Amino acid sequence: EPEVTQTPSHQVTQMGQEVILRCVPISNHLYFYWYRQILGQKVEFLVSFYNNEISEKSEIFDDQFSVERPDGSNFTLKIRSTKLEDSAMYFCASSEAMTDTQYFGPGTRLTVL
Amino acid sequence: RKEVEQDPGPFNVPEGATVAFNCTYSNSASQSFFWYRQDCRKEPKLLMSVYSSGNEDGRFTAQLNRASQYISLLIRDSKLSDSATYLCVVSDGGFKTIFGAGTRLFVKA
Repeated sequence: EPEVTQTPSHQVTQMGQEVILRCVPISNHLYFYWYRQILGQKVEFLVSFYNNEISEKSEIFDDQFSVERPDGSNFTLKIRSTKLEDSAMYFCASSEAMTDTQYFGPGTRLTVL
Repeated sequence: RKEVEQDPGPFNVPEGATVAFNCTYSNSASQSFFWYRQDCRKEPKLLMSVYSSGNEDGRFTAQLNRASQYISLLIRDSKLSDSATYLCVVSDGGFKTIFGAGTRLFVKA
């Protein structure tokens, strides 16, 4: 069964450093998403991406965040200057159609020290 | 009002019990509705989509009431393996998806 993969599974970084989280969505999916989940809190929408551009973003997704699909398979989330409060689990998801089921990757746990 | 609101839980039930979860959403233009389950420190996994006609998958039944902006999930004959957090998820028909805070279920032997 096809699945969404994410790397790394755990990333530790110093405050102020840049991090890039990587995702490989399911191959025939056209819609891509990033979410974050701070420990003990709910899953929060960050951004959706379709046709090589951002479709929608939340108020959390400020100028320090960016997304990119650098090639035909990868989908990345970059955090330019990490803050302590960026520590969270980051989930990538993909779907075949806009209102279709989203399939989630296993997540990247980001720890900012 | 929260965009997606769920029973706060946790629910503690014995094996074999029937348990019902409720969810309300605020955006009347919402298009798609789902129940996901999330195990501790894992990714959300689709349990079932929710349709206006209601749908059933084995021991699980989901209902949608658009007029009341209300979604429900019924689990019959609870198993130990059903212990998880159940997430109500609503899509606005655009590109934004909103998760509820989740309802924790503990099924005990």
